Amino acid sequence: ETGVTQSPTHLIKTRGQQVTLRCSSQSGHNTVSWYQQALGQGPQFIFQYYREEENGRGNFPPRFSGLQFPNYSSELNVNALELDDSALYLCAAKGGGSGANVLTFGAGSRLTVL
Amino acid sequence: RKEVEQDPGPFNVPEGATVAFNCTYSNSASQSFFWYRQDCRKEPKLLMSVYSSGNEDGRFTAQLNRASQYISLLIRDSKLSDSATYLCVVNKRDSSYKLIFGSGTRLLVRP
Repeated sequence: ETGVTQSPTHLIKTRGQQVTLRCSSQSGHNTVSWYQQALGQGPQFIFQYYREEENGRGNFPPRFSGLQFPNYSSELNVNALELDDSALYLCAAKGGGSGANVLTFGAGSRLTVL
Repeated sequence: RKEVEQDPGPFNVPEGATVAFNCTYSNSASQSFFWYRQDCRKEPKLLMSVYSSGNEDGRFTAQLNRASQYISLLIRDSKLSDSATYLCVVNKRDSSYKLIFGSGTRLLVRP
């Protein structure tokens, strides 16, 4: 149990559709980031949220957007899905206390775009 | 050029072997360094941080050479359970805690 839970675990969409992926983390994880991992590649940073505001973004187009809520949960939204968006989407949380600099990943949401 | 480059692999070694993975990074502003392990269809998990003085955790030894921008991981006495993909990761301290991952090196330990 990592303390970071993602849903759904798997989903299939068609090109042009929109998708929302969700992440919940335990209290104290005030920083959440999202990564995209294509097959055979390492995870790539999409963006990060701290106290409900985006404070860092990778090289992803605006159709990738996110939210962080007061209860530390988070969403990743992707509009106008493209075939290349097929990947494992990982949520990672980081927080205060003894684990302040430890990044904990959820198990991921595997998205397939047909 | 990728910011973090790793040996392409896969490495196929017998149980008990010693295996070394190498990694180079391009951004001299990188300040934190890690090795993550990722099992098939699972999330990455932190294996160990890498410090300038080198550090060891059981059968695993990590080394960092800041001048050459080079990171290594040595696994001694390989076990079947070590089979996984090993990701070299760097972090540049700025307003966001952004990890930059290499593409990973796959290790297969055979009986």
